[in-house]
This record gives sequence, C-alpha cells and structure tokens, in this order.
Amino acid sequence: DAGVIQSPRHEVTEMGQEVTLRCKPISGHDYLFWYRQTMMRGLELLIYFNNNVPIDDSGMPEDRFSAKMPNASFSTLKIQPSEPRDSAVYFCASSSASGYTFGSGTRLTVV
Amino acid sequence: SQQGEEDPQALSIQEGENATMNCSYKTSINNLQWYRQNSGRGLVHLILIRSNEREKHSGRLRVTLDTSKKSSSLLITASRAADTASYFCAIPSSNTGKLIFGQGTTLQVKP
Repeated sequence: DAGVIQSPRHEVTEMGQEVTLRCKPISGHDYLFWYRQTMMRGLELLIYFNNNVPIDDSGMPEDRFSAKMPNASFSTLKIQPSEPRDSAVYFCASSSASGYTFGSGTRLTVV
Repeated sequence: SQQGEEDPQALSIQEGENATMNCSYKTSINNLQWYRQNSGRGLVHLILIRSNEREKHSGRLRVTLDTSKKSSSLLITASRAADTASYFCAIPSSNTGKLIFGQGTTLQVKP
C-alpha cells in the first residue's frame, strides 16, 4: 500500500482564489481526518469522516472551508475564498482499528 | 480537554544520551499514542500503549503509562542525530474516532 496520498505537496495561491486539497486514504480504512498545522496553533483537527459520512466538522474555522468524501477512496478540502491566514500545512490521515496513518501533507501558502 | 500536553516543549541533547519526553492528560483514555514528525514531513506513528498497559518497548523507544497520574513518557535511548524531530502524544476520543494531539516536544540531537 502506498499509504495516504495527498496532493498537491505544495500550493501557492493568491488571496481570494479557490484552493482544493486532495486525499486518497488507505484502502479499507473507515475513518478519514483533515488536520491543519501551524506554528501558532499546532495540529488542529478540522473535520473527520466515518464511512464517507462527515461526523464532526466543529474544527472547520469558517464557512470558507468545506470538505467532501464522495467515496471511500477520495476526499477533498476546499477553501473558497482563500486568505493569507489560511497558510499552513494541511494533513490528511486515515485510520482503522489497527491505527492511524498520515499523509505527507500539503503546504499551502496564500499570498 | 482531552488534549495531551507535552513537556518539555524543547529538548537539546548530545548524540548517545537518552531523551525523555512527558505527556499529561486530563480525561480517562483507552489508549495513548506517540508520533514523530520530521521537519517538513508528515506524522509517523511510533507506538500505541493501551490503558491496561504500563510499559511498552519498540527498538530504542520505551513508553510508560501511569493512568493514576494521567501521564505518559517516551524515552529514546542512545539517541542519534536522526532522532531530531518533533514528538507528539495523541489521545483518541473515547466515543468517536478522532485523535487529539498535544503541542509536541521538539528534540534536537547534536552529533
């Protein structure tokens, strides 16, 4: 298994643009998590899904953020419109009873 | 809060020395997990210790758990420069699948 795959690895965009981050979880994992990491706030859980259904999105900072999981092998995190304070590393993770696996992250810079 | 809090925030040692990091938490847990994050990379799962376990080993890693004190420690023996990274403890929510991370300990091992 290739692990959790995130794309793109790096994204630089201008303020106001739409940004879409992508994640492919490990096959068979029934949980998927989106985290954001910054120096100031550390690792924050944004939203997570169980069997493709959003369970808890209380960590999503604003309505500008949305996440979908149309099927068991794909999830997106969208920011529209993006702002400079959204600059961070966004991690996707998937888990099963055997444990959690994180992707390598997407480093987002909004200028 | 279920979040673990690591101590110290930063640790600098010489290669060959042992490194000890601590994690304290506030609620009852089913298990506690330790992760490592190298600079610019994703999190890597190191070890999981269940609430009915007191100590667990994995190579040069030793994790202890004291549920009466609500604390855990991660010991890295005979440290190497390659151990330089940030180390996080993480606690899964008791009734959901989400994993909550502490702020981490940044370890620097000098060659």
